[in-house]
Amino acid sequence: EVLLLESGGGLVQPGGSLRLSCVASGFTFSSYAMTWVRLGPGKGLEWVSVISGSGGITYSADSVKGRFTISRDNSENTLYLQMNSLRAEDTAVYYCAKAYTGNIYDAYDIWGQGTMVSVSS
Amino acid sequence: EIAMTQSPATLSMSPGERATLSCRASQSIRSNLAWYQQQPGQAPRLLIYATSSRATGISARFSGSGSGTEFTLTISSLQSEDFAVYYCQQYNNGPPWTFGQGTKVEIK
Repeated sequence: EVLLLESGGGLVQPGGSLRLSCVASGFTFSSYAMTWVRLGPGKGLEWVSVISGSGGITYSADSVKGRFTISRDNSENTLYLQMNSLRAEDTAVYYCAKAYTGNIYDAYDIWGQGTMVSVSS
Repeated sequence: EIAMTQSPATLSMSPGERATLSCRASQSIRSNLAWYQQQPGQAPRLLIYATSSRATGISARFSGSGSGTEFTLTISSLQSEDFAVYYCQQYNNGPPWTFGQGTKVEIK
């Protein structure tokens, strides 16, 4: 069974940091681009960041550029999102998702259950 | 950046009715469009990719059409489990890979 399991969310003060993890199983992790998408309270889905299967190509949304870093460890089948300089507007459920065919230009067919990040003093 | 606009924001329907959801891109995205369903408290689920291809395990009552800038998701006969929020997403140009703001299909 193909599964994604996120962890690392929590309550953090503005300006603080968190690292989210997403452990994958049931597929050849290194063959697939992976992405982070978030759902803020009362908002719609927002694409955050994407990384190619090899890890050599990454892109991030302007809203998080310079603050968030996506990375992966293919030996551990794990995707990461390092979140620094957190702001109240980063409060959201964060989902990791797998690219359907592996390409970074792709739909996302498998999603994790999400991990909640709350930024508040 | 390609903007995705969904309409209507809310669709009030009765079970058994046919639902039509629209998604418009600010520039051509060819056929590189996906539709997702999200239930409260759950992760999004891929319904349709490449405009009209159903994802694995998705009921045939879901169908997608369109190309270029105008796209449609049709639910042929609404079942109780279909009342949810639906998002379109373009993956033709990025970054960013943009989502529409969502259409909520609610019980009338």
